[in-house]
Amino acid sequence: QVTLRESGPALVKPTQTLTLTCTISGFSVNTAGMCVSWIRQPPGKALEWLARIDWDDAKYYNTSLKTRLTISKDTSKNQVVLTMTNMDPVDTATYYCGRIRAMVTTAPDYWGQGTLVTVSS
Amino acid sequence: DIQMTQSPSTLSASVGDRVTITCRASQSISNWLAWYQQKPGKAPKLLIYEASNLESGVPSRFSGSGSGTEFTLTISSLQPDDFATYYCQQCHSLYGFGPGTKLEIK
Repeated sequence: QVTLRESGPALVKPTQTLTLTCTISGFSVNTAGMCVSWIRQPPGKALEWLARIDWDDAKYYNTSLKTRLTISKDTSKNQVVLTMTNMDPVDTATYYCGRIRAMVTTAPDYWGQGTLVTVSS
Repeated sequence: DIQMTQSPSTLSASVGDRVTITCRASQSISNWLAWYQQKPGKAPKLLIYEASNLESGVPSRFSGSGSGTEFTLTISSLQPDDFATYYCQQCHSLYGFGPGTKLEIK
């Protein structure tokens, strides 16, 4: 059974760095064709894609946020980590991670339940 | 960056209705388009990928079509469980989502 679970701080202060972890079960981030994306959604607003990491460690970033984002994977723990620097109140959102089976489709099929991050002093 | 638009932004319909939601891309994305359904407080659920492929387990009343810059999601006969917000996502050049269409009960 495929599951993804996001974890991280619920509250961060402006200018701080956010670190989120996606813990995966049911597939390996090292298996050929497997990728993980991060997506976020501000309260009451639309979805916004952030970053993606592939089984071969290829990485892709949202053009507008690229300078603030870093995506990485810890294969020993089967986790994907996203860091976002210089957090601002506009970054308040629910952050999701999602699985991509690149051999089937580039759209995320399984998603975590999301974790709400509030940016406030 | 490729910009995605959806119409309408809100759609009121009744159980049993046939409804269509349109998604447009600012440039050609071939068939690299997905559709998601999202209910309040829940993660999006993949319905359609590569414009017209039905994700496993999704009811056959959902269908997708289109290529290039214009795409549609059709629900052939609305069920009570279908009232939700629907998003399109281009997967051609990195990724980008449309603004969403809220499907409401009339």
